[in-house]
Amino acid sequence: AQSVAQPEDQVNVAEGNPLTVKCTYSVSGNPYLFWYVQYPNRGLQFLLKYITGDNLVKGSYGFEAEFNKSQTSFHLKKPSALVSDSALYFCAVRDPSLGDSNYQLIWGAGTKLIIKP
Amino acid sequence: GAGVSQSPSNKVTEKGKDVELRCDPISGHTALYWYRQSLGQGLEFLIYFQGNSAPDKSGLPSDRFSAERTGGSVSTLTIQRTQQEDSAVYLCASSNRLAGRYEQYFGPGTRLTVT
Repeated sequence: AQSVAQPEDQVNVAEGNPLTVKCTYSVSGNPYLFWYVQYPNRGLQFLLKYITGDNLVKGSYGFEAEFNKSQTSFHLKKPSALVSDSALYFCAVRDPSLGDSNYQLIWGAGTKLIIKP
Repeated sequence: GAGVSQSPSNKVTEKGKDVELRCDPISGHTALYWYRQSLGQGLEFLIYFQGNSAPDKSGLPSDRFSAERTGGSVSTLTIQRTQQEDSAVYLCASSNRLAGRYEQYFGPGTRLTVT
């Protein structure tokens, strides 16, 4: 079955340290992978996506993610965390078996990122 | 505005009443999605509209929930005979073939409280 896993409900990082939010996926074809962020009391915002090409994708607010096909992972990273990065992060994948005209995404359960000063 | 809008932003209703939630997608976006999110939790898919195709209703939790999309634009999610477990934030999103077609743009949500 197609699925996305975010194995950590919560990640705690000290300000200034590097952060990683993990995501693994299981789809039958070539995945399209996404990260979204939800700041407190705000809507979901797109951060970055991997469709094809360079495995390292750079996005908004200094975030990046690396597509690793052999490990079926798409972990979100940032070299130096800010307190303002504290938010709920969602990983999502497009299920290629749905066909080219179906735009639905499979969503992970979300990871709460807490950056402590 | 250029983004997805939802109304009302907050709705408090008594158990057993019907409610209607509205979503205005980004102009020209062919795909529209409804999700439900309980406090601080993940996204629960409800329904998906794509152009003139039949909607994917597989996520609707019961027959008290229904949605329609008129003229390929505005969508209304209706919950009949509301129950306390319906309390959540209801999110709408839209996407477009031309603009990174799988990238979904979200509205601010409607916070529904059933008392």
